[in-house]
Amino acid sequence: GAVVSQHPSRVICKSGTSVKIECRSLDFQATTMFWYRQFPKKSLMLMATSNEGSKATYEQGVEKDKFLINHASLTLSTLTVTSAHPEDSSFYICSAREGADNSPLHFGNGTRLTVT
Amino acid sequence: GENVEQHPSTLSVQEGDSAVIKCTYSDSASNYFPWYKQELGKRPQLIIDIRSNVGEKKDQRIAVTLNKTAKHFSLHITETQPEDSAVYFCAAWGFKTIFGAGTRLFVKA
Repeated sequence: GAVVSQHPSRVICKSGTSVKIECRSLDFQATTMFWYRQFPKKSLMLMATSNEGSKATYEQGVEKDKFLINHASLTLSTLTVTSAHPEDSSFYICSAREGADNSPLHFGNGTRLTVT
Repeated sequence: GENVEQHPSTLSVQEGDSAVIKCTYSDSASNYFPWYKQELGKRPQLIIDIRSNVGEKKDQRIAVTLNKTAKHFSLHITETQPEDSAVYFCAAWGFKTIFGAGTRLFVKA
């Protein structure tokens, strides 16, 4: 089945630094990928939709300059948390669809970000 | 905006009993309804899904029902086992996928 790889799985960084998270579709092409943030014991909150070859679409309340998204190819999307602060600490998960819009989402393993 | 409500937030059952989780969605354009199981610290895994042209779908011990008129869909797990313990999320897809808040299921041996 479709596999989505996310890297790194864990990262610890200092306040003020930037962190890049990669999301790759390994055996299929994804023109659209999705980035979610998940707080402990909470649901997945859609942050943005990453579109290959064009700008990402951000959800209301998500800062574009804070969470930079780049969808450089049909198999790779990156999320960069810029000037990280402790409140950015969270579980970030990407997902992608293999087929049509109403087909299942395949999730990466997630990245646990801790900002000290 | 679009919204998916999920109940209950926590569900505790005895092994062998059935578990039912219910979701209600607001976007009448939604036509695809997946259910995901997420174990602690891991990725959500699709366990079953249903499309709007179907009222019920079953896969072994798991079934999903959909009532489009009421904008309501449910997950049914029969003969629960301890390994079913996890957080379950419903979702509805219209223009985008909206997730419910999740149900933490505990299956007691």
